[in-house]
Amino acid sequence: DAKTTQPPSMDCAEGRAANLPCNHSTISGNEYVYWYRQIHSQGPQYIIHGLKNNETNEMASLIITEDRKSSTLILPHATLRDTAVYYCIVRLDSNYQLIWGAGTKLIIKP
Amino acid sequence: KAGVTQTPRYLIKTRGQQVTLSCSPISGHRSVSWYQQTPGQGLQFLFEYFSETQRNKGNFPGRFSGRQFSNSRSEMNVSTLELGDSALYLCASSLYPGDRDLPTGELFFGEGSRLTVL
Repeated sequence: DAKTTQPPSMDCAEGRAANLPCNHSTISGNEYVYWYRQIHSQGPQYIIHGLKNNETNEMASLIITEDRKSSTLILPHATLRDTAVYYCIVRLDSNYQLIWGAGTKLIIKP
Repeated sequence: KAGVTQTPRYLIKTRGQQVTLSCSPISGHRSVSWYQQTPGQGLQFLFEYFSETQRNKGNFPGRFSGRQFSNSRSEMNVSTLELGDSALYLCASSLYPGDRDLPTGELFFGEGSRLTVL
């Protein structure tokens, strides 16, 4: 069973920041949070991952709440090419498997 | 450098047949994972191989099997195909598998093999 809950869909205006929420209230102490995205007809693409601290890379920022029960992926300046399904994923501590949720379909509008 | 290559990209089989899918990881990557993606169940983990050894296996029946060769290329096989096996099968490679002190690095996915079972 998925350990994450995400809104099924979101819209964002081109050039604005896209903030994608994820709830993972049952996450345990050593379980990492990962974000991937999947553009139509392609394989998923890694975005970022984190454990406790906020993380930033060239694609996005990941903000994890202090209690680790939720996180937000931020795409700072969304473009039309960011339209995709975004998956928030928990990596199990027991066997290191990535448990994928249903994802959020993000549509960037001009 | 070349990405993850999966073959064939599309295939159609009938119930009861068997199928073999192939995955060539990125050069230098030794870990290969397989996933099944369907509209109803989303992405589900099948198995992970590292250095020719299966490290992890998801909750799939024994009809689903895989292997990894010494050059890190991997194959998965599904025997006695059922209608419900129709899906996109994705292969992902990484430099190393995940473990407690070394979180899984970035997974690089191929474009998948789309299997239709009639």
